Amino acid sequence: DIQMTQSPSSLSASVGDRVTITCRASQSVINYLNWYQQKPGNAPQLLIFGASTLQSGVPSRFSGSGYGTEFTLTISSLQPEDFATYYCQQGYRPLTFGGGTKVEIK
Amino acid sequence: QVLLQESGPGLVKPSQTLSLTCSVSGGSFSSGTYYWSWIRQRPEKGLEWIGYMSYRGSAYNNPSLESRLTMSIDTSKDQFSLKLTSVTAADTAVYYCVRTVYTNYPKFDSWGQGALVTVSS
Repeated sequence: DIQMTQSPSSLSASVGDRVTITCRASQSVINYLNWYQQKPGNAPQLLIFGASTLQSGVPSRFSGSGYGTEFTLTISSLQPEDFATYYCQQGYRPLTFGGGTKVEIK
Repeated sequence: QVLLQESGPGLVKPSQTLSLTCSVSGGSFSSGTYYWSWIRQRPEKGLEWIGYMSYRGSAYNNPSLESRLTMSIDTSKDQFSLKLTSVTAADTAVYYCVRTVYTNYPKFDSWGQGALVTVSS
């Protein structure tokens, strides 16, 4: 199985901050990499697919980059509604997720 | 807009079978573009892919659960189902049914609200 490691596991940030989350794969997943946002009590929502393509309706302050084994999710200017947990997911079977990064209010 | 809704018992005894059904509305169920997945999230843990299947019945399961897992699909009712046998406390989780877009590789684009299943005597 491909292991996905996210860092940090949690972070504290303020509204307006630039936030970067890293996801590393134990072997290359080329660009078969998705990012999800999950708010407490809710199901995850797809943010980014193909490592860098924004899902329809996702604000442009979210961006993704990377290829192979290292990927990043960036929020350019953190908004109050962005405080949530973020997960990466790779696309080779068995499909696996990273352990999550919780973004908290500073 | 597609809507997915999980249903089934919220409490299952150890060693018994966990059964869940997902009802899909809003179209797209018989589209070849989509697979239909189950994903679970154990308390305070991350996300675990269980498996997915197409409306034609092609199924792919997580090998870690495959020996206990059966998925099925009922195109006449726009429903798909999950059965997990010989459950233990480790199977306590929120179970999500998820529409899966499969172009090049899978991405989970629409999720049910989730169903909490507790395994306890």
